[in-house]
Amino acid sequence: SQTIHQWPATLVQPVGSPLSLECTVEGTSNPNLYWYRQAAGRGLQLLFYSVGIGQISSEVPQNLSASRPQDRQFILSSKKLLLSDSGFYLCACRERYTEAFFGQGTRLTVV
Amino acid sequence: KNEVEQSPQNLTAQEGEFITINCSYSVGISALHWLQQHPGGGIVSLFMLSSGKKKHGRLIATINIQEKHSSLHITASHPRDSAVYICAVANAGGTSYGKLTFGQGTILTVHP
Repeated sequence: SQTIHQWPATLVQPVGSPLSLECTVEGTSNPNLYWYRQAAGRGLQLLFYSVGIGQISSEVPQNLSASRPQDRQFILSSKKLLLSDSGFYLCACRERYTEAFFGQGTRLTVV
Repeated sequence: KNEVEQSPQNLTAQEGEFITINCSYSVGISALHWLQQHPGGGIVSLFMLSSGKKKHGRLIATINIQEKHSSLHITASHPRDSAVYICAVANAGGTSYGKLTFGQGTILTVHP
């Protein structure tokens, strides 16, 4: 079965600093990959998805960007963090019509 | 109105009680997922449904496609079942790319 590795688990960053969250997937090839964010008291919201290497689609305008340099690697980045970027970030993998698999998530606090 | 609505938002139960969490959705879907999120944040997929009913241990999930409604049941609840339960739907359609739309989650607390 598929396994998702996501790190770090917790991160405290100052406003204006850069961000890089990495997610790698095992047990599958050419998966669809997703970055979701869960703000405090809210449900999970899709930020980016990728259907292949170098293919990134953004769902909402924001201060973040994503990249997929390898088939099983998905990276979430920011050049300058804002306070509003705080939240719980979750990487997910899913093939159409199959189960979704999730990483353990990264709790980001921007101070 | 959210595309996926869960109820209740908060649920408190005594150990051993039968628990039901409901999910209604307003869009056409290819599948519905029930997920469990523990306090540490990690999410585990419990079920994926496109019709009928599935059972795994003390957990049962049902879906009614015509009524656009799903339920998650927990029999003989236990304190270790305490978690956030999330309903998520995979939109139908060729451009959905497997994206999920999530409900707000139901916070379940089971007391001993």
